[in-house]
Amino acid sequence: AQRVTQPEKLLSVFKGAPVELKCNYSYSGSPELFWYVQYSRQRLQLLLRHISRESIKGFTADLNKGETSFHLKKPFAQEEDSAMYYCALLGSGNTGKLIFGQGTTLQVKP
Amino acid sequence: DTEVTQTPKHLVMGMTNKKSLKCEQHMGHRAMYWYKQKAKKPPELMFVYSYEKLSINESVPSRFSPECPNSSLLNLHLHALQPEDSALYLCASSQGPDSYYGYTFGSGTRLTVV
Repeated sequence: AQRVTQPEKLLSVFKGAPVELKCNYSYSGSPELFWYVQYSRQRLQLLLRHISRESIKGFTADLNKGETSFHLKKPFAQEEDSAMYYCALLGSGNTGKLIFGQGTTLQVKP
Repeated sequence: DTEVTQTPKHLVMGMTNKKSLKCEQHMGHRAMYWYKQKAKKPPELMFVYSYEKLSINESVPSRFSPECPNSSLLNLHLHALQPEDSALYLCASSQGPDSYYGYTFGSGTRLTVV
């Protein structure tokens, strides 16, 4: 079965603290993984794609095939990072289906 | 233009009404999607259109009827909805159905069924 698991519903940190949002997946083969962010009252936005190995807004995510993980990290959280974060997996079979995790709300306190 | 535009932004409809949601993109994307999102939940896939053909229907009730008039437009026709259908309806597009560039989402239509 193809599945994405985000074990934490809520992650609360203080400004300046490191952040790690966990994502584990279940997939046969080479996965295509993404992180999406949804700020309050804004549209769902693509934050990162694993294939591009980029850093956006200070966030990075590394694919670990051995641990089937794609955790999102930032060394120093900012208040404006407070949002809902979804990890997503592109389903197999050329369907275009994105399989989302349940999401983690990140709350950055001043 | 790098956006997906959805109209209307808000819609209130009775259970006997017929209404349509519209979605438009001009990025040349060839795959378009309808998702339903309940509060504090992830989006749930409803339909996928790939090269203007319906390729996935995730067992959605027939009171939801998608239509793709051309490669830039996607509609969702609504008829005889139930109160539990109240949700945020999201349209998205991608370069193709196997796009590892990810989706571009619209801001959604917030639907309330009364």
